[in-house]
Amino acid sequence: EAQVTQNPRYLITVTGKKLTVTCSQNMNHEYMSWYRQDPGLGLRQIYYSMNVEVTDKGDVPEGYKVSRKEKRNFPLILESPSPNQTSLYFCASSLFPTGNYGYTFGSGTRLTVV
Amino acid sequence: TQLLEQSPQFLSIQEGENLTVYCNSSSVFSSLQWYRQEPGEGPVLLVTVVTGGEVKKLKRLTFQFGDARKDSSLHITAAQPGDTGLYLCAGDTGNQFYFGTGTSLTVIP
Repeated sequence: EAQVTQNPRYLITVTGKKLTVTCSQNMNHEYMSWYRQDPGLGLRQIYYSMNVEVTDKGDVPEGYKVSRKEKRNFPLILESPSPNQTSLYFCASSLFPTGNYGYTFGSGTRLTVV
Repeated sequence: TQLLEQSPQFLSIQEGENLTVYCNSSSVFSSLQWYRQEPGEGPVLLVTVVTGGEVKKLKRLTFQFGDARKDSSLHITAAQPGDTGLYLCAGDTGNQFYFGTGTSLTVIP
């Protein structure tokens, strides 16, 4: 089954404790992206990647890091999480970033930073 | 500032009623997509519209892309409880998608 897999689904952590949210896709997609979803603000892009070793900032990159060492994986790293990073996070992938190709989203990671 | 404004934000209707959701912007998009998101899950792509004035139908859902490619609408005929969810539009500027804030639809049996 074609899918984007995120782990974990739920995570509660303390301020300052480094964490990684994993994302993997099995569709050989070039393009991958991370979003956060907050009430009243919608989905906002954190980082995206056009291909292996190519990453770029989205609209809200502060406090986050990403890497794309393999085509299928695109982990999101929070080096020193803070309470304002409490949010619902989605990883998404697409064959190409534009045109008729829509995103396939993962099921989300609900992160709480206390 | 949101690039894409959706209205209404919330909509609660009875089963069988019709409804329209709007997605508006001052920017021109090369394509526009609609997604539906259910609680606890990621958004799922419903449709992509590419040409100004284009109309696409998906069973009881009708999607239209504005002539100037700045806006779009989603019309649902005879809504059913299974249509309940968050509807999101997303515009493609060429190298990035921008999502609207969403319309939360509840269809009451």
